Amino acid sequence: GAVVSQHPSRVICKSGTSVKIECRSLDFQATTMFWYRQFPKQSLMLMATSNEGSKATYEQGVEKDKFLINHASLTLSTLTVTSAHPEDSSFYICSAREDRKVAGYTFGSGTRLTVV
Amino acid sequence: SQKIEQNSEALNIQEGKTATLTCNYTNYSPAYLQWYRQDPGRGPVFLLLIRENEKEKRKERLKVTFDTTLKQSLFHITASQPADSATYLCALAFGNEKLTFGTGTRLTIIP
Repeated sequence: GAVVSQHPSRVICKSGTSVKIECRSLDFQATTMFWYRQFPKQSLMLMATSNEGSKATYEQGVEKDKFLINHASLTLSTLTVTSAHPEDSSFYICSAREDRKVAGYTFGSGTRLTVV
Repeated sequence: SQKIEQNSEALNIQEGKTATLTCNYTNYSPAYLQWYRQDPGRGPVFLLLIRENEKEKRKERLKVTFDTTLKQSLFHITASQPADSATYLCALAFGNEKLTFGTGTRLTIIP
């Protein structure tokens, strides 16, 4: 079945530094990938839609200069949290679905970001 | 804006019984509706998808119904097992393919 690999699974960084999270579709191509954020005991909130070869589309209230998204190939999207602050600590999850297929989405295993 | 509610934040069910979870939405009916399972510290795992013109879908011990008049989906797990304990999320997809997730129901199957 479809597999999405997300790295790192956990990261601790200091305030003011940047962190990059990678999301790879291992056995399928995905023109579009999605990035979510999840706080404890809450549901997933869509942050942005990552589009291969073009700019990402951000949801209302998400700072595009803070959460940089790059979708350089059909199998790789990256999310960079720039100038991280403690309030950016959260669980970040990516998802993807094979192009032109009406099916469920495959999610990465998530990245637990802790900013100290 | 679209609102999706899963009626129970937490649900405890005796092992062997059927667990029924509810997902209600407002405004427009989606092109299709999906159910996911999420374990603590993990990403969601896709379970079932049902289209707006389908009434029911089954997969092994799982069954999903979709009533666009009531704007409601029901998710059933029959012969429930402790391994079914997890958070279950419904998600709606519209024309732009973005998924909007419900609030989730934390299901516990009691041995």
